[in-house]
Amino acid sequence: SQQGEEDPQALSIQEGENATMNCSYKTSINNLQWYRQNSGRGLVHLILIRSNEREKHSGRLRVTLDTSKKSSSLLITASRAADTASYFCATDPGGSYIPTFGRGTSLIVHP
Amino acid sequence: KAGVTQTPRYLIKTRGQQVTLSCSPISGHRSVSWYQQTPGQGLQFLFEYFSETQRNKGNFPGRFSGRQFSNSRSEMNVSTLELGDSALYLCASSSGLTTGSEQFFGPGTRLTVL
Repeated sequence: SQQGEEDPQALSIQEGENATMNCSYKTSINNLQWYRQNSGRGLVHLILIRSNEREKHSGRLRVTLDTSKKSSSLLITASRAADTASYFCATDPGGSYIPTFGRGTSLIVHP
Repeated sequence: KAGVTQTPRYLIKTRGQQVTLSCSPISGHRSVSWYQQTPGQGLQFLFEYFSETQRNKGNFPGRFSGRQFSNSRSEMNVSTLELGDSALYLCASSSGLTTGSEQFFGPGTRLTVL
């Protein structure tokens, strides 16, 4: 079973709108990461948030982490067609060196 | 720095054959991980090599194996291919020195088993 699960599975929005996707996980973590994957390609690291952090920003990305609820959210503001991709959260259950990935949220941004 | 490279990019094999995929990590990275990605199962961890030793292993049958060389390059081998092995195989490298390290992914090898 997956450690992290993204929600929703799919999201379709218009350019300029904000996109929010969520990730829930099961066991305690040291950090949580978000990755993006364009169709059929490798994943690209977006942002890492540590367990003692509550919010982090990077450009148009905002990530929050609530360890009490074992959940994280990724907000993309003012979305662009180029943001169309799948987004994955990854956690390090039990302090693993290797992050465990969820199934991803497929985001489509219509121009 | 050059990114992670994977060869070949595309492969077509038939059932019963074996295949070897190659991954060259980012210079200086000692950890190489392999993932299998399919529409049905998502991104599944195969194994991780760190300084030529397998440090972590996922839940895959023994037909899936790998190794890492002294220059950190890694190969993954799948023997006795099955139709279900058709997938995108992704390699990722990292420093491997801290937990949950940022992974740098290659473009993947698309394997089709007929």
